[in-house]
Amino acid sequence: QLQLQESGPGLVKPSETLSLTCTVSGGSISSSSYYWGWIRQPPGKGLEWIGSIYYSGSTYYNPSLKSRVTISVDTSKNQFSLKLSSVTAADTAVYYCARILPDGYTIFGVVIGRFDYWGQGTLVTVSS
Amino acid sequence: SYELTQPPSVSVSPGQTARITCSGDALPKQYAYWYQQKPGQAPVLVIYKDSERPSGIPERFSGSSSGTTVTLTISGVQAEDEADYYCQSADSSGTYPWVFGGGTKLTVL
Repeated sequence: QLQLQESGPGLVKPSETLSLTCTVSGGSISSSSYYWGWIRQPPGKGLEWIGSIYYSGSTYYNPSLKSRVTISVDTSKNQFSLKLSSVTAADTAVYYCARILPDGYTIFGVVIGRFDYWGQGTLVTVSS
Repeated sequence: SYELTQPPSVSVSPGQTARITCSGDALPKQYAYWYQQKPGQAPVLVIYKDSERPSGIPERFSGSSSGTTVTLTISGVQAEDEADYYCQSADSSGTYPWVFGGGTKLTVL
Protein backbone atom coordinates (compact mmCIF):
# COMPACT_ATOMS: atom_id res chain seq x y z
CA GLN A 1 0.00 0.00 0.00
CA LEU A 2 1.45 3.35 -1.02
CA GLN A 3 2.10 5.77 1.81
CA LEU A 4 3.25 9.38 1.80
CA GLN A 5 4.61 11.17 4.85
CA GLU A 6 5.36 14.87 5.17
CA SER A 7 8.15 16.04 7.46
CA GLY A 8 9.75 19.34 8.39
CA PRO A 9 9.66 22.18 10.91
CA GLY A 10 6.27 23.06 12.33
CA LEU A 11 7.27 26.65 13.01
CA VAL A 12 8.94 29.05 10.59
CA LYS A 13 9.79 32.70 11.14
CA PRO A 14 8.46 35.40 8.81
CA SER A 15 10.71 36.15 5.82
CA GLU A 16 12.44 32.77 6.16
CA THR A 17 12.12 29.70 3.93
CA LEU A 18 9.69 26.89 4.63
CA SER A 19 11.15 23.47 3.79
CA LEU A 20 9.20 20.22 3.74
CA THR A 21 9.97 16.72 2.53
CA CYS A 22 7.57 14.00 1.43
CA THR A 23 8.81 10.44 1.84
CA VAL A 24 7.13 7.84 -0.36
CA SER A 25 6.94 4.22 0.78
CA GLY A 26 5.33 1.18 -0.77
CA GLY A 27 6.16 2.39 -4.28
CA SER A 28 8.86 4.05 -6.34
CA ILE A 29 8.92 7.77 -6.94
CA SER A 30 10.85 7.01 -10.13
CA SER A 31 7.88 5.31 -11.75
CA SER A 32 7.15 6.91 -15.10
CA SER A 33 3.45 6.47 -14.41
CA TYR A 34 3.01 9.17 -11.81
CA TYR A 35 3.56 12.78 -10.90
CA TRP A 36 3.86 14.14 -7.37
CA GLY A 37 2.39 17.28 -5.88
CA TRP A 38 2.05 19.65 -2.96
CA ILE A 39 -1.25 21.12 -1.77
CA ARG A 40 -1.90 23.36 1.22
CA GLN A 41 -4.90 24.31 3.34
CA PRO A 42 -4.93 27.35 5.64
CA PRO A 43 -6.80 26.76 8.90
CA GLY A 44 -10.54 26.73 8.25
CA LYS A 45 -10.11 27.37 4.54
CA GLY A 46 -10.02 25.47 1.26
CA LEU A 47 -7.37 23.58 -0.68
CA GLU A 48 -4.74 25.31 -2.81
CA TRP A 49 -2.48 23.54 -5.30
CA ILE A 50 1.15 24.65 -4.85
CA GLY A 51 3.04 22.72 -7.48
CA SER A 52 3.84 19.35 -9.04
CA ILE A 53 6.90 17.43 -10.23
CA TYR A 54 7.76 14.44 -12.38
CA TYR A 55 10.57 12.07 -11.39
CA SER A 56 12.65 13.50 -14.24
CA GLY A 57 12.50 16.90 -12.56
CA SER A 58 9.90 18.62 -14.74
CA THR A 59 7.91 21.00 -12.57
CA TYR A 60 4.64 22.92 -12.68
CA TYR A 61 3.89 25.71 -10.22
CA ASN A 62 0.84 27.68 -9.22
CA PRO A 63 1.39 31.06 -10.91
CA SER A 64 0.37 32.87 -7.71
CA LEU A 65 3.25 31.21 -5.81
CA LYS A 66 5.71 30.56 -8.62
CA SER A 67 8.19 33.27 -7.64
CA ARG A 68 8.65 31.75 -4.18
CA VAL A 69 8.31 28.00 -4.77
CA THR A 70 10.85 25.32 -5.60
CA ILE A 71 9.94 21.64 -5.78
CA SER A 72 12.63 19.01 -6.25
CA VAL A 73 12.91 15.23 -6.28
CA ASP A 74 15.51 12.88 -4.81
CA THR A 75 14.99 9.48 -6.39
CA SER A 76 17.76 7.88 -4.31
CA LYS A 77 15.79 8.60 -1.15
CA ASN A 78 12.34 8.17 -2.71
CA GLN A 79 11.48 11.70 -1.61
CA PHE A 80 10.37 14.98 -3.06
CA SER A 81 10.63 18.36 -1.39
CA LEU A 82 9.04 21.78 -1.17
CA LYS A 83 10.73 25.09 -0.49
CA LEU A 84 8.68 28.25 -0.07
CA SER A 85 10.67 31.42 0.44
CA SER A 86 9.88 34.75 2.10
CA VAL A 87 7.01 33.33 4.10
CA THR A 88 4.41 35.42 5.89
CA ALA A 89 1.55 34.59 8.24
CA ALA A 90 -0.59 33.96 5.14
CA ASP A 91 1.50 30.86 4.45
CA THR A 92 0.37 29.23 7.70
CA ALA A 93 -1.39 26.07 6.61
CA VAL A 94 -1.55 22.31 6.64
CA TYR A 95 0.71 21.15 3.83
CA TYR A 96 -0.11 17.91 2.03
CA CYS A 97 1.93 15.89 -0.42
CA ALA A 98 0.10 13.67 -2.88
CA ARG A 99 0.55 11.34 -5.82
CA ILE A 100 -0.92 12.37 -9.16
CA LEU A 101 -2.28 9.62 -11.38
CA PRO A 102 -2.40 10.91 -14.98
CA ASP A 103 -5.71 10.58 -16.79
CA GLY A 104 -4.31 10.20 -20.27
CA TYR A 105 -4.50 13.74 -21.59
CA THR A 106 -2.53 16.93 -21.58
CA ILE A 107 -3.23 20.63 -21.83
CA PHE A 108 -0.52 22.43 -23.80
CA GLY A 109 1.97 19.77 -22.70
CA VAL A 110 0.90 19.67 -19.04
CA VAL A 111 -0.13 16.19 -17.96
CA ILE A 112 -3.50 16.27 -16.21
CA GLY A 113 -4.50 13.83 -13.49
CA ARG A 114 -6.05 13.13 -10.14
CA PHE A 115 -4.61 13.24 -6.61
CA ASP A 116 -5.17 9.60 -5.68
CA TYR A 117 -2.95 9.17 -2.62
CA TRP A 118 -2.36 11.84 0.03
CA GLY A 119 -0.11 12.21 3.03
CA GLN A 120 -1.68 12.94 6.39
CA GLY A 121 -0.60 16.58 6.21
CA THR A 122 1.64 18.67 8.43
CA LEU A 123 0.80 22.01 10.02
CA VAL A 124 3.31 24.76 9.42
CA THR A 125 2.88 27.96 11.38
CA VAL A 126 4.62 31.16 10.35
CA SER A 127 5.28 33.24 13.43
CA SER A 128 8.11 35.04 15.16
CA SER B 1 -6.55 33.16 -12.45
CA TYR B 2 -9.13 30.42 -12.93
CA GLU B 3 -11.93 29.82 -10.45
CA LEU B 4 -14.28 26.98 -9.66
CA THR B 5 -17.40 28.04 -7.77
CA GLN B 6 -19.17 25.84 -5.21
CA PRO B 7 -21.99 26.64 -2.78
CA PRO B 8 -20.60 27.07 0.76
CA SER B 9 -23.07 24.66 2.29
CA VAL B 10 -25.68 22.00 1.52
CA SER B 11 -27.96 20.36 4.07
CA VAL B 12 -29.98 17.17 3.71
CA SER B 13 -31.74 14.69 5.96
CA PRO B 14 -30.52 11.09 6.19
CA GLY B 15 -31.73 8.97 3.30
CA GLN B 16 -32.29 11.94 1.00
CA THR B 17 -30.23 12.94 -2.03
CA ALA B 18 -27.55 15.61 -1.81
CA ARG B 19 -26.39 17.49 -4.87
CA ILE B 20 -23.28 19.65 -4.80
CA THR B 21 -22.49 21.79 -7.82
CA CYS B 22 -19.26 23.22 -9.18
CA SER B 23 -19.13 25.84 -11.92
CA GLY B 24 -16.25 26.89 -14.15
CA ASP B 25 -15.81 28.24 -17.64
CA ALA B 26 -13.48 25.45 -18.75
CA LEU B 27 -15.55 22.56 -17.42
CA PRO B 28 -17.09 21.74 -20.82
CA LYS B 29 -13.57 20.84 -21.97
CA GLN B 30 -11.82 19.63 -18.81
CA TYR B 31 -12.51 16.71 -16.52
CA ALA B 32 -13.67 17.33 -12.97
CA TYR B 33 -12.70 15.49 -9.83
CA TRP B 34 -14.31 15.41 -6.39
CA TYR B 35 -12.71 14.96 -2.97
CA GLN B 36 -14.26 14.32 0.42
CA GLN B 37 -12.54 15.72 3.49
CA LYS B 38 -13.56 14.94 7.05
CA PRO B 39 -12.29 17.04 9.98
CA GLY B 40 -8.62 16.49 10.72
CA GLN B 41 -8.15 14.15 7.78
CA ALA B 42 -6.60 14.35 4.34
CA PRO B 43 -8.93 14.59 1.34
CA VAL B 44 -10.11 11.38 -0.32
CA LEU B 45 -10.89 11.10 -4.03
CA VAL B 46 -14.53 10.07 -4.56
CA ILE B 47 -15.09 10.86 -8.26
CA TYR B 48 -12.64 11.23 -11.15
CA LYS B 49 -13.06 12.14 -14.83
CA ASP B 50 -16.49 13.67 -14.15
CA SER B 51 -18.30 10.46 -13.29
CA GLU B 52 -15.91 7.59 -12.56
CA ARG B 53 -15.82 6.14 -9.07
CA PRO B 54 -12.56 4.82 -7.55
CA SER B 55 -12.59 1.36 -6.07
CA GLY B 56 -13.82 1.34 -2.51
CA ILE B 57 -16.08 4.36 -2.91
CA PRO B 58 -19.76 3.52 -2.26
CA GLU B 59 -22.13 3.42 -5.23
CA ARG B 60 -24.24 6.18 -3.69
CA PHE B 61 -21.58 8.64 -4.88
CA SER B 62 -21.97 9.69 -8.51
CA GLY B 63 -20.90 12.55 -10.73
CA SER B 64 -22.28 14.25 -13.81
CA SER B 65 -21.45 17.12 -16.12
CA SER B 66 -23.55 19.60 -18.07
CA GLY B 67 -22.01 22.58 -19.76
CA THR B 68 -20.09 24.75 -17.32
CA THR B 69 -21.41 22.90 -14.26
CA VAL B 70 -20.48 19.54 -12.76
CA THR B 71 -22.48 17.91 -9.99
CA LEU B 72 -21.62 15.48 -7.23
CA THR B 73 -24.69 13.49 -6.20
CA ILE B 74 -24.90 11.46 -3.02
CA SER B 75 -27.96 9.23 -2.99
CA GLY B 76 -29.35 7.92 0.28
CA VAL B 77 -27.13 10.18 2.35
CA GLN B 78 -25.75 8.69 5.54
CA ALA B 79 -24.50 10.45 8.65
CA GLU B 80 -20.94 9.40 7.77
CA ASP B 81 -21.16 11.45 4.56
CA GLU B 82 -21.08 14.70 6.52
CA ALA B 83 -17.87 16.34 5.33
CA ASP B 84 -16.39 19.06 3.15
CA TYR B 85 -16.41 18.34 -0.58
CA TYR B 86 -14.05 19.93 -3.08
CA CYS B 87 -14.17 19.90 -6.85
CA GLN B 88 -10.93 20.07 -8.84
CA SER B 89 -10.27 20.72 -12.49
CA ALA B 90 -7.99 22.65 -14.85
CA ASP B 91 -8.20 25.75 -16.98
CA SER B 92 -7.99 25.51 -20.77
CA SER B 93 -4.55 27.04 -21.18
CA GLY B 94 -2.44 24.79 -18.96
CA THR B 95 -1.58 27.75 -16.74
CA TYR B 96 -3.62 26.28 -13.88
CA PRO B 97 -3.55 22.49 -14.36
CA TRP B 98 -4.87 21.85 -10.87
CA VAL B 99 -7.49 24.17 -9.37
CA PHE B 100 -9.78 23.49 -6.43
CA GLY B 101 -13.20 24.90 -5.78
CA GLY B 102 -13.80 26.68 -2.51
CA GLY B 103 -15.43 23.65 -0.94
CA THR B 104 -18.95 22.77 0.19
CA LYS B 105 -19.85 21.73 3.72
CA LEU B 106 -22.39 18.92 3.60
CA THR B 107 -24.48 18.77 6.76
CA VAL B 108 -26.61 15.72 7.48
CA LEU B 109 -29.52 16.96 9.58
